[in-house]
Amino acid sequence: DIQMTQSPSSLSASVGDRVTITCRASQGITNSLAWYQQKLGKAPNLLIYDVSRLESGVPARFSGSGSGTDYTLTISSLQPEDFATYYCQQYQSMPFTFGPGTKVDIK
Amino acid sequence: QVLLVQSGPEVKAPGSSVKVSCKASGGSFNTYAFSWVRQAPGQGLEWMGGIIPLLGTPNYAQNFQDRVTIIADESTSTAYMELSSLRSADTAVYYCARGGGTYFRNWGQGTPVTVSS
Repeated sequence: DIQMTQSPSSLSASVGDRVTITCRASQGITNSLAWYQQKLGKAPNLLIYDVSRLESGVPARFSGSGSGTDYTLTISSLQPEDFATYYCQQYQSMPFTFGPGTKVDIK
Repeated sequence: QVLLVQSGPEVKAPGSSVKVSCKASGGSFNTYAFSWVRQAPGQGLEWMGGIIPLLGTPNYAQNFQDRVTIIADESTSTAYMELSSLRSADTAVYYCARGGGTYFRNWGQGTPVTVSS
């Protein structure tokens, strides 16, 4: 199985801050990587797929990058509605696996 | 606009089984993969398995291989997940999710399953 790790596990930030979350796969995943946002008590919401493709309706302040085993989600200017937990997911091979999540809260 | 509506909360005894449904509306039912993802309280997301209705053959994560059954009923546009031999560690919210390239674009609202004696 491909193991996914994320760092940091949590962070505190202020509105307007630039936030970067890192995801690392235990082996190369050929750009088969997605990012999700999950708010408390809600289902996850797809933000980015294929490393850097922005899902329809997702604000342009979200962006993704990376290759091989290392990937990054960036929020260019944090907004109040962005406080949530973020997960990466690989779909290079089954079982599809998620990172443990990064909780973004208010400083 | 794809909508996935799941069945309601369940409380089950240890050792029993639970069957959760996920009714899809909008879009093509047959050609997209349906997966089941669970989330234990305060924990992350865990993929259990999935199925492409057109192909009919499910794929299961090794962790659930012996206990989970995933089917898709084209006549009602509904996917089902049944988990047997329930234990307290199976207490979680169970989500159905639909996607094309096996990322998950559409999610159901989640079905809480509590396993308790």
